[in-house]
Amino acid sequence: KAGVTQTPRYLIKTRGQQVTLSCSPISGHRSVSWYQQTPGQGLQFLFEYFSETQRNKGNFPGRFSGRQFSNSRSEMNVSTLELGDSALYLCASSPGQGEGYTFGSGTRLTVV
Amino acid sequence: AQSVSQHNHHVILSEAASLELGCNYSYGGTVNLFWYVQYPGQHLQLLLKYFSGDPLVKGIKGFEAEFIKSKFSFNLRKPSVQWSDTAEYFCAVNARSGGGADGLTFGKGTHLIIQP
Repeated sequence: KAGVTQTPRYLIKTRGQQVTLSCSPISGHRSVSWYQQTPGQGLQFLFEYFSETQRNKGNFPGRFSGRQFSNSRSEMNVSTLELGDSALYLCASSPGQGEGYTFGSGTRLTVV
Repeated sequence: AQSVSQHNHHVILSEAASLELGCNYSYGGTVNLFWYVQYPGQHLQLLLKYFSGDPLVKGIKGFEAEFIKSKFSFNLRKPSVQWSDTAEYFCAVNARSGGGADGLTFGKGTHLIIQP
């Protein structure tokens, strides 16, 4: 069974631009959550979607947004990129809220 | 909000040594508990999880963890480590709320190096 697929794997953007990252969950999984991983802050929760509704949100500015489609695929958008947004962005899926999470390989975003 | 503390940021052991990685969380309610591992160049993989029931849970690759509610702890153990256990280990919790749960809160991670 295919795992969690994140695209693209690598991305380089310029400060001030916006970016959209994509996540395809494991088939049948209805919950998708997003995390930011940096050397300094570690793994931080961004938000979680379940059945197209945002259920929880971490402590990130409004420049970070997301959505989930009817097929459970999810996108994450970051507007007005800052140098500090450079990170590995991880997507995780689970059958339902709060159950075991399977992580994707991540999208490494570099802001220059 | 919950928080997770991992006591050791770097641990170096020899092969066949026993391993125990500490994890404490702070939250007054009911939580789900997880240990994840990130091997060099690979994505996060679930080692084991605790939702309810027997507080001693067994995971993959010979790992186990014990949930001690009174100590808010969920320590990871392995009786005999191998060189291939070299990796970053993360403890995580999510608080159960209503019919579901919040997102995962991770500890800072423990970088484990096993020397041959």
